[in-house]
Amino acid sequence: GQQVMQIPQYQHVQEGEDFTTYCNSSTTLSNIQWYKQRPGGHPVFLIQLVKSGEVKKQKRLTFQFGEAKKNSSLHITATQTTDVGTYFCAGHPAETSYDKVIFGPGTSLSVIP
Amino acid sequence: DAGVIQSPRHEVTEMGQEVTLRCKPISGHNSLFWYRQTMMRGLELLIYFNNNVPIDDSGMPEDRFSAKMPNASFSTLKIQPSEPRDSAVYFCASSLALAGASSTDTQYFGPGTRLTVL
Repeated sequence: GQQVMQIPQYQHVQEGEDFTTYCNSSTTLSNIQWYKQRPGGHPVFLIQLVKSGEVKKQKRLTFQFGEAKKNSSLHITATQTTDVGTYFCAGHPAETSYDKVIFGPGTSLSVIP
Repeated sequence: DAGVIQSPRHEVTEMGQEVTLRCKPISGHNSLFWYRQTMMRGLELLIYFNNNVPIDDSGMPEDRFSAKMPNASFSTLKIQPSEPRDSAVYFCASSLALAGASSTDTQYFGPGTRLTVL
């Protein structure tokens, strides 16, 4: 079946260090979304990437969509304690006609002050 | 905008009891999703409605689970009878799916219902 994987599962960084999480799909995606879930909270939409090779930036966050539209990455520069949480990628399989995404297992980020 | 509303926020029940979770999507949204989140299995899609019609219920674990969407502003997820392994956080999310759109629309999640089955 269709699968979306993420690595690493957990990441502990010192405040100020960079952080990257990688997302890989078993099938080609029409687009990919990224969500952030704070501890005890609910997933909150961050961004959507649609085009092959697309790169988008939100302040210290950089999102990339692979050329083959099967992988993506989220990079945070100079992490802050406010970045703590779990980051999920969610892929929309290209062969799916309706509005369904498959969530990856998430990468849990801890930031040591 | 009030966002997606879920009730109750917390539910503690005993094994064998019926549990009903409720969701009010964002006004104007035509897609509604029920998810279950656990440490072991992560975020799982249980069922997806579009225009009040169930489109994909392949994620519903078994016959003990059922979901309804009688109108555009209300949905329920029922577990009967409940079991300890059903303990999880259940999220409802809604989106505005545009017909023919090439991109997937943003899903707005509710605060979730934390279910504990003893």
